[in-house]
This record gives sequence, C-alpha cells and structure tokens, in this order.
Amino acid sequence: GGIITQTPKFLIGQEGQKLTLKCQQNFNHDTMYWYRQDSGKGLRLIYYSITENDLQKGDLSEGYDASREKKSSFSLTVTSAQKNEMAVFLCASSPQGANSDYTFGSGTRLLVI
Amino acid sequence: EQQVQQSPASLVLQEAENAELQCSFSIFTNQVQWFYQRPGGRLVSLLYNPSGTKQSGRLTSTTVIKERRSSLHISSSQITDSGTYLCAMERTGGYKVVFGSGTRLLVSP
Repeated sequence: GGIITQTPKFLIGQEGQKLTLKCQQNFNHDTMYWYRQDSGKGLRLIYYSITENDLQKGDLSEGYDASREKKSSFSLTVTSAQKNEMAVFLCASSPQGANSDYTFGSGTRLLVI
Repeated sequence: EQQVQQSPASLVLQEAENAELQCSFSIFTNQVQWFYQRPGGRLVSLLYNPSGTKQSGRLTSTTVIKERRSSLHISSSQITDSGTYLCAMERTGGYKVVFGSGTRLLVSP
C-alpha cells in the first residue's frame, strides 16, 4: 500500500514569515491538491497540480505559492504569514480522472504568533 | 456562495440509533463523494456515489442528480462513528472538488 506524508505536522511561524509545507506520495498519482481547513468552513482548494511542473490555482490561491518539481511531491508556501492565523493544511492525491481514489495526508497544523 | 450545503451541522445520537446526513449542491454534478474525519485525524473516503444508491457495510448513500442532493445513512450507530462527515462534489472542468462544511456526529453510550 501507498502513503501520503505531510511535513511538518505542526508549524509555528511569525507574522510576515515565509513558510513552506511539504507533501510526498508514493501512489504514483498524477494529481495532487492543497486544501485549507478552517473550523466551520469545510475545505477550500488552494492549489492543485495535474502532473509534474503543472500548477493550477484554486479558490484560495492568493497569499500562497506552490511547486510540483517531481510527480511524487507537492509543496505549498505561505508567502507572508498573517498574525493569529490558525488553520490545518491538507494535501491530497488522486489518479488522473479518478476521484473515487482520493487520498489525504494527515495535515499540517499552522499557528502564527 | 456556498456550493455544497450540509445538514444538520451537528448531530447527537445514542448508540444503535440511525443517522441521516444530507448534502445539497448549488449546481449539477455527477461526481459525489462522502468523507469521514475523526477529530484530529486524516480525511478518509467513505463512498463514491455519483448517482443512485450505494452501500458499504452500515453506510448507505443515495444521490439524486436531478434534485442536486445526496444523503448518507448510518445504521446502528456506534461510538466509533463519532467524527465529522463531509460530502464533496466535482465542479465542471474536473479536478476542482468542492467540500461542504461537514456534519459533526457524536454517538454516546
């Protein structure tokens, strides 16, 4: 079986800091996603990538950059952390065109002080 | 605009009771999926149900595309069913899966 790993699990940053979150999968999935999960708001799509070196903006891309340098990895950068921001960032992957096989990572919990 | 609406927002049951969770969509979709998340845990896919009725163990999902809704029925609930249930749909153009805010289920002894 495969696995999708997010690092770090917890991230504490300072206001204005650039912060990078990483995601690795060994399913050989084509598509990878970054979501932000806030309490009471469900999941909102930040970026997704349908193949290596591809990037597509989601609904919440402002304030974030992403990078898909390898098929197996997808990183997300918070370009300038906002004070008191607290959220969970979830990475997911799926084979191309097969949403029934959507696999999530365990999340990175961000706190900005 | 909230494209995926879930109800109820929260639900408290006693063990062995049944649960009915609802999901409605603002647009037509043919890709509907239900997910489960234990508190502090990973999201896992429960059922992929683009239309009709699908069953997996004690879970039954019914999706009615023309009415833009889907439901998830949990029979004989157990304490370990507690957590958040999210439904999601794929918007046209593919890849953009949109999630509802979830139903928080608590099953007590």
